[in-house]
Amino acid sequence: AQKITQTQPGMFVQEKEAVTLDCTYDTSDPSYGLFWYKQPSSGEMIFLIYQGSYDQQNATEGRYSLNFQKARKSANLVISASQLGDSAMYFCAMRGLMNRDDKIIFGKGTRLHILP
Amino acid sequence: GAGVSQSPSNKVTEKGKDVELRCDPISGHTALYWYRQSLGQGLEFLIYFQGNSAPDKSGLPSDRFSAERTGGSVSTLTIQRTQQEDSAVYLCASSLSGTGVYEQYFGPGTRLTVT
Repeated sequence: AQKITQTQPGMFVQEKEAVTLDCTYDTSDPSYGLFWYKQPSSGEMIFLIYQGSYDQQNATEGRYSLNFQKARKSANLVISASQLGDSAMYFCAMRGLMNRDDKIIFGKGTRLHILP
Repeated sequence: GAGVSQSPSNKVTEKGKDVELRCDPISGHTALYWYRQSLGQGLEFLIYFQGNSAPDKSGLPSDRFSAERTGGSVSTLTIQRTQQEDSAVYLCASSLSGTGVYEQYFGPGTRLTVT
């Protein structure tokens, strides 16, 4: 069975510092995709970044990067130069790619607070 | 283009009443998900539709919950005999499907309050 674990229920970080949000996963699929979503207090879910298990390089999107360590089954999100607007709930998610019917599964989330 | 839409945005109902929540996915998206999110909590998976395959209902919390998807597009989540613990935000998401890495697009949610 597939599983996503986010061990940090909440984090407080000073503005302008870098942030690492942890995510570990478990799957038996040889091919899978990993996602991060942001949910601000407004409630919308915003897709941030994805990483394919077959990708040789870590994914980057602006200030977001994914520290993908396949052997450790971890896919941590790194936010550089944090901003007050980064305060939100962050969800890690995964989907197997071997079966077209596989569904995406989410972790329980990490609530990030950026302090001025 | 149009994103995922959900209606109503807010619903207040009395305990014991039935409610229907609607989701319009992005055109062409064959995968559709329903989630429930209680205040400040994570996403609780409810049900997953993928094309013409039988839906994955493994997340439905009780037989009071059901969902259908007509014509591979619009989906309706029905909660019968609502209870106060059903109060939550119900989120719908759609995506392309297959063996590619396709992210989900979420609707704005329906906030259900059972009094």
